[in-house]
Amino acid sequence: DAKTTQPTSMDCAEGRAANLPCNHSTISGNEYVYWYRQIHSQGPQYIIHGLKNNETNEMASLIITEDRKSSTLILPHATLRDTAVYYCIVRVLVMDTGRRALTFGSGTRLQVQP
Amino acid sequence: ETGVTQTPRHLVMGMTNKKSLKCEQHLGHNAMYWYKQSAKKPLELMFVYSLEERVENNSVPSRFSPECPNSSHLFLHLHTLQPEDSALYLCASSQARGSEPQHFGDGTRLSIL
Repeated sequence: DAKTTQPTSMDCAEGRAANLPCNHSTISGNEYVYWYRQIHSQGPQYIIHGLKNNETNEMASLIITEDRKSSTLILPHATLRDTAVYYCIVRVLVMDTGRRALTFGSGTRLQVQP
Repeated sequence: ETGVTQTPRHLVMGMTNKKSLKCEQHLGHNAMYWYKQSAKKPLELMFVYSLEERVENNSVPSRFSPECPNSSHLFLHLHTLQPEDSALYLCASSQARGSEPQHFGDGTRLSIL
């Protein structure tokens, strides 16, 4: 099963871009990379996902390396409300019946500083 | 507003009590999930429902009993819990089972005395 590795914590100045890295060197060819975040006292929130092309939506951009062994989530203009734990996830097999489901790791705690 | 509502938001119960957690989604999704989030531990997937079908993680103790009467509602019945069961219990839904982007509720903070 593909495993992800993220830094435990990062700081970012308000208004600057936040670049959150993730390593997933054992990802298989048909596995997607998903990003979620969890703001304190709330449930996780979906941000973006991709397979091999770079993706952008209203929240963030996702850059995936050509070999797909790592990716970077970019918040272009971080605000104080972006302070949260950010999870990089790949599809893994966890259920005994063979159904694929998301597995959350420990994530990166992003602190946006004023 | 995520479209997934969990009640209650906080629950304190004794080890001999029986209680239920409720989750409701208004997104028209076909799959619903229960997760457990303990302090300083990763999110743990507990149960998955897809339409009328339940996919169960065998490592979940029987004192946790899920119920999915329809695709919009999910319950987690609790009985004879242990102090280590204190955690944040999160419900999520997605269009289909598996790794579709999931929409989470804000959870029920459960404390076992």
